[in-house]
Amino acid sequence: AIRMTQSPSSLSASTGDRVNITCRASQAISSYLAWYQQRPGKAPKLLVYGASSLQGGVPSRFSGSGSGTDFTLTISGLQSEDFATYYCQQYATYPLTFGGGTKVEIK
Amino acid sequence: EAQLVESGGGLVKTGGSLTLSCEASGLAVDTHTMNWVRQAPGKGLEWVSSITSSRAEIYYADSVKGRFTVSRDNARNSVFLHMTSLTSEDTAVYYCARGRYCVSSSCLPPWFDPWGQGTLVTVSS
Repeated sequence: AIRMTQSPSSLSASTGDRVNITCRASQAISSYLAWYQQRPGKAPKLLVYGASSLQGGVPSRFSGSGSGTDFTLTISGLQSEDFATYYCQQYATYPLTFGGGTKVEIK
Repeated sequence: EAQLVESGGGLVKTGGSLTLSCEASGLAVDTHTMNWVRQAPGKGLEWVSSITSSRAEIYYADSVKGRFTVSRDNARNSVFLHMTSLTSEDTAVYYCARGRYCVSSSCLPPWFDPWGQGTLVTVSS
């Protein structure tokens, strides 16, 4: 199975900050990567697919980049509603696998 | 409102069985791969199973293979997860999630959108 490693596992940031979350795949997955946001007690929500394609309705302050094994989710100008946990997921092959998550907390 | 609604969760004894249901309203699922993803309390997301629209392809995580069975009823816009030989390791919120549009006999693996609200399965002796 492809292992997805996210870093950091948690971070503290202030409103307005630029935040980068990285995700590394244990083998090349081309651009078959998605990012999700999960707020406490809620279901995950798709933010990005295809490594860099923003899902409809997602604010433009979110962006994704990367291909192969290294990927980044960037939040440009953190808003209060962005404090949540973020997960990456590879869909290059089964079994589908997620990263361990990155919790973004208020500084 | 377009949504997926899971049901069937609850408390079950170790070794017991349970069937989860996921019904879609306001969105097409008969032409999409459908999926189950779970989240143990305080833990991350774990993919459980996927079934393509034609049922030609069905996949399971190793952790549930041989114990869980996924099925779907396209006429009822529904997908099911029948779980047997449950252990405490299966305690989790189970989410239903729609995957890619695909009506062929061979489909690419999916990302997940949208997700249901989840149903909690608690396995205890």
